[in-house]
Amino acid sequence: EADIYQTPRYLVIGTGKKITLECSQTMGHDKMYWYQQDPGMELHLIHYSYGVNSTEKGDLSSESTVSRIRTEHFPLTLESARPSHTSQYLCASSDPTGLTEAFFGQGTRLTVV
Amino acid sequence: QQQVKQSPQSLIVQKGGISIINCAYENTAFDYFPWYQQFPGKGPALLIAIRPDVSEKKEGRFTISFNKSAKQFSLHIMDSQPGDSATYFCAASYLGPDKLIFGTGTRLQVFP
Repeated sequence: EADIYQTPRYLVIGTGKKITLECSQTMGHDKMYWYQQDPGMELHLIHYSYGVNSTEKGDLSSESTVSRIRTEHFPLTLESARPSHTSQYLCASSDPTGLTEAFFGQGTRLTVV
Repeated sequence: QQQVKQSPQSLIVQKGGISIINCAYENTAFDYFPWYQQFPGKGPALLIAIRPDVSEKKEGRFTISFNKSAKQFSLHIMDSQPGDSATYFCAASYLGPDKLIFGTGTRLQVFP
């Protein structure tokens, strides 16, 4: 089983609040990703990182930001949550060789009211 | 423009039957084509993946068929079981399992 963890699993929060979604992996993977998935829809890459102090935006524009201060930790932050941010956020990681699969966390289901 | 197109959107199969899900891609630079299985409330998990140098890969009841000239690949689930009921996503990427581009998903229901 993949050792990649996301917290919280579910979050309901009011508009305008600042939130941070946590993602940690214990596999020592350099590459980490955040995907956004609306119910019943495909996953879209919103952020990725190839190592410490490396972060890039993905294909889908997002108002969230990420940081990568430690290899194992890749948190995602929304400074001011809005109802349009309601979605599921999935974190993933893969090793730099590209020879193994990308492992996904269980996701954080965010609802902004 | 959607780079990976998946069909059907939903599929109902009887136990023991064959489930077939199809995907088509646009970019010939893609070199990694995985299939992910996702159960409700869980993250996607890799089921099987193929690279363009082979036309077919089989793992147990799951087979990927790959047609490079047609830019299509498909997942076949033989002897489908109720436990296979899940959403299946095809994906593609340029550099192995990196920055995956996903299809829209197929919700498979296998009835006893």
